[in-house]
Amino acid sequence: ETGVTQTPRHLVMGMTNKKSLKCEQHLGHNAMYWYKQSAKKPLELMFVYNFKEQTENNSVPSRFSPECPNSSHLFLHLHTLQPEDSALYLCASSLVGGTSTDTQYFGPGTRLTVL
Amino acid sequence: DQQVKQNSPSLSVQEGRISILNCDYTNSMFDYFLWYKKYPAEGPTFLISISSIKDKNEDGRFTVFLNKSAKHLSLHIVPSQPGDSAVYFCAASAAGRDDKIIFGKGTRLHILP
Repeated sequence: ETGVTQTPRHLVMGMTNKKSLKCEQHLGHNAMYWYKQSAKKPLELMFVYNFKEQTENNSVPSRFSPECPNSSHLFLHLHTLQPEDSALYLCASSLVGGTSTDTQYFGPGTRLTVL
Repeated sequence: DQQVKQNSPSLSVQEGRISILNCDYTNSMFDYFLWYKKYPAEGPTFLISISSIKDKNEDGRFTVFLNKSAKHLSLHIVPSQPGDSAVYFCAASAAGRDDKIIFGKGTRLHILP
């Protein structure tokens, strides 16, 4: 596997469910990101991890809980979501975080629908 | 309030002609600009970037122009090819400051045969 992979690609969940999104990068990068893309809105940065440490939380509600066990893996744990959380969730990685000139490589995204 | 604006949701261009995608920004602190391209069911891929110390950057068929006084940048694709049909995102950042990349909503480019 190469690049950035995300699983699952599609997820439908109820508001009371708990689920997790997984991201894995095979690029030897040290920074990983979660973005959200809602319909007709720009990509919004949610979280940044740099060398496994969270360096950015962009005012994301606590029903979204990230986890970065190592530089290659990033999870987004979801619980008690709302229908307005339905969106495309994109993971990205870059060689070093903390600098926007470092090219970010995106995964294909998880299309989440909250019923 | 959107800091990066792509006012054309879609654009159709004849194959072989020039495609021009436009982007405006409001934050004068932005000094690094990027274009990403996205195909359906795939994540965005980096296309080209430009630093504010330059007003033009070229990479093959793709050229980005930056007009700092107008807070405007554009992406030119010449000649346009069928594989260029995708959504193009303009993005900007204040490198060395908070470093967040702020994206526009995207423009869907259709290359017509």
